[in-house]
Amino acid sequence: RKEVEQDPGPFNVPEGATVAFNCTYSNSASQSFFWYRQDCRKEPKLLMSVYSSGNEDGRFTAQLNRASQYISLLIRDSKLSDSATYLCVVTSGGSYIPTFGRGTSLIVHP
Amino acid sequence: DGGITQSPKYLFRKEGQNVTLSCEQNLNHDAMYWYRQDPGQGLRLIYYSQIVNDFQKGDIAEGYSVSREKKESFPLTVTSAQKNPTAFYLCASSITQASGGTDTQYFGPGTRLTVL
Repeated sequence: RKEVEQDPGPFNVPEGATVAFNCTYSNSASQSFFWYRQDCRKEPKLLMSVYSSGNEDGRFTAQLNRASQYISLLIRDSKLSDSATYLCVVTSGGSYIPTFGRGTSLIVHP
Repeated sequence: DGGITQSPKYLFRKEGQNVTLSCEQNLNHDAMYWYRQDPGQGLRLIYYSQIVNDFQKGDIAEGYSVSREKKESFPLTVTSAQKNPTAFYLCASSITQASGGTDTQYFGPGTRLTVL
């Protein structure tokens, strides 16, 4: 079983739609969780950290479900500029090595 | 400006040649990492370093070498022993948490290596 799994997509949605991605992780000792965004042929950039209580940043909401070992990312009112690959990243306590998922591709069309 | 720089952006190499990719950061981060990304694939860890003069192999270290003589610099050498070196190479750095573990990673713009 892969340590961090994501549905590769692509998720193809119209502008204004709400879309959600999930990411499952296998290590129950995982402590830090992040969502990164990667545009085509560019480096990943931090979108948001994921806290136990959940967190929101504008149109983006991230949640953590420790019992079921997954994190989620919700994007409301999708924009064309949201088209990208979204990477889930998990780090276990005491580890210096973040584990990356393969990413979920989002395409927002007019 | 603070950040991570990688050079060159594009690099072409003939088969059988070694090549060194540069990675410099002025964020005062302790930990630095090298990843490889192939088309449509996730990031795979090549090497990482938690402190100066120390580094560890990642999942795909064969055919690569690194050094960490300065906190700011973590160059990666792709040797001729690497059988399929054409890829997008990403360098990252992060703060090391006092309690152990790593905080957010920040990435350089990457180097796209093509072997001719």
